[in-house]
Parts: sequence; C-alpha cells; structure tokens
Amino acid sequence: KAGVTQTPRYLIKTRGQQVTLSCSPISGHRSVSWYQQTPGQGLQFLFEYFSETQRNKGNFPGRFSGRQFSNSRSEMNVSTLELGDSALYLCASSLRLGGKNEQYFGPGTRLTVT
Amino acid sequence: AQSVTQLDSHVSVSEGTPVLLRCNYSSSYSPSLFWYVQHPNKGLQLLLKYTSAATLVKGINGFEAEFKKSETSFHLTKPSAHMSDAAEYFCVVSRDQGGKLIFGQGTELSVKP
Repeated sequence: KAGVTQTPRYLIKTRGQQVTLSCSPISGHRSVSWYQQTPGQGLQFLFEYFSETQRNKGNFPGRFSGRQFSNSRSEMNVSTLELGDSALYLCASSLRLGGKNEQYFGPGTRLTVT
Repeated sequence: AQSVTQLDSHVSVSEGTPVLLRCNYSSSYSPSLFWYVQHPNKGLQLLLKYTSAATLVKGINGFEAEFKKSETSFHLTKPSAHMSDAAEYFCVVSRDQGGKLIFGQGTELSVKP
C-alpha cells in the first residue's frame, strides 16, 4: 500500500505571496492532519480534517487554512507569507478520527520564504 | 492540558550498547503515548504506541517502551544500538478525543562505531 504523499517536496516563495501544499493520505484513511516543524518551535499541530470537515485546530493565525476533498486528499494554504513561515510542513493520515489511532506521516514539504 | 518532556536533547552511545531515551508526560486524560523516529530529511516513522493495554510495548527495530503511571514516564529502550538507529526521536502524547498529537522537543541519538 502506498504511503502518504506530499507535493511539492520543496518550495521557495517570497514574503507576501501565498502557497498551497497538497497531501494524499494512505488509501482508506479518512483523517488528515497537518503539522509545522521548525528548529525553534519543534513540531506543532495545525489542523485535522475528517470527512471534509475541520475537526481540530491548533494555535495558528487565520493565514493558515486547509480543506479536505471527498477522496480524503487535503490541501493546506498559507496566505501573506512571512519569513517565520519557513518550515517543514508534515501531513499525517489516520484511519479514523481520534487520538488512539496511529498517524502515518508523509515526507513533508520544505517551504522557504525569502 | 497535556504535555510531554523529553529529558535529554542529545544522547550518544556506542554501537552494541543499550539505548535509553527518557520521556515524562502530563495528561489529565488517560493518554495515548507514541514514539516516532525521524531520520535526516525524512518524515516521521511510528516506532510504537501505548493505548492502555499492556504497559510494556514492543515496537519495530527492537525498540520497546514501558508505561509507568506512577512515574508519568514512557521511556524508550533498545538492548543494542545499531549505526542505523542514529536519528531524532520524538515522544508524543494524544487525547482520546481528536487526533491532535503533542510532541516533545526531540532527542537526537548519535551512535559511535
């Protein structure tokens, strides 16, 4: 079974631009979560989607948004990029919603904002 | 509120010697606990999970962890380190409601030949 895939793997953007990242979960998984990883803040939860609805949200500004499609694929959008948004963005999929379920991570998208 | 503290930011061992990575957690709920590993420029791989069944949990690649409620600890161990174990390890806690994972700051494991 194919793992979680994320596209693109690397991205360079300029301050003020917007960016869209994509995540395809493991086949059959219905929950998709997004995380931001930076050297200073570590790994932080952004949001979780299940059945096309946002179920949980982390403590990030409204510039960070996401959505999930009927095939469980998810996109994450960051508008008005800031230098501090440079990070590795990780997507994880899970069979069901809920903290007991294993989450399987993709390789990440490395975003650099200049 | 839930939190997790990894007690060592860096651990160095020699190949063939035991590995101990320490993790303490805080949770007002009955927690689910996980250990993930991240190799350089890679995503996170699940090593093992605890969800209130057996307190000693066996994972992949010879790793295991013991849940000790009285000590609020979930330390990761391996009897004999291999060079390929060099990576960053994350202790993670989660609530039953919702899939939000709360990560520790990570422990970088170095393995010397």
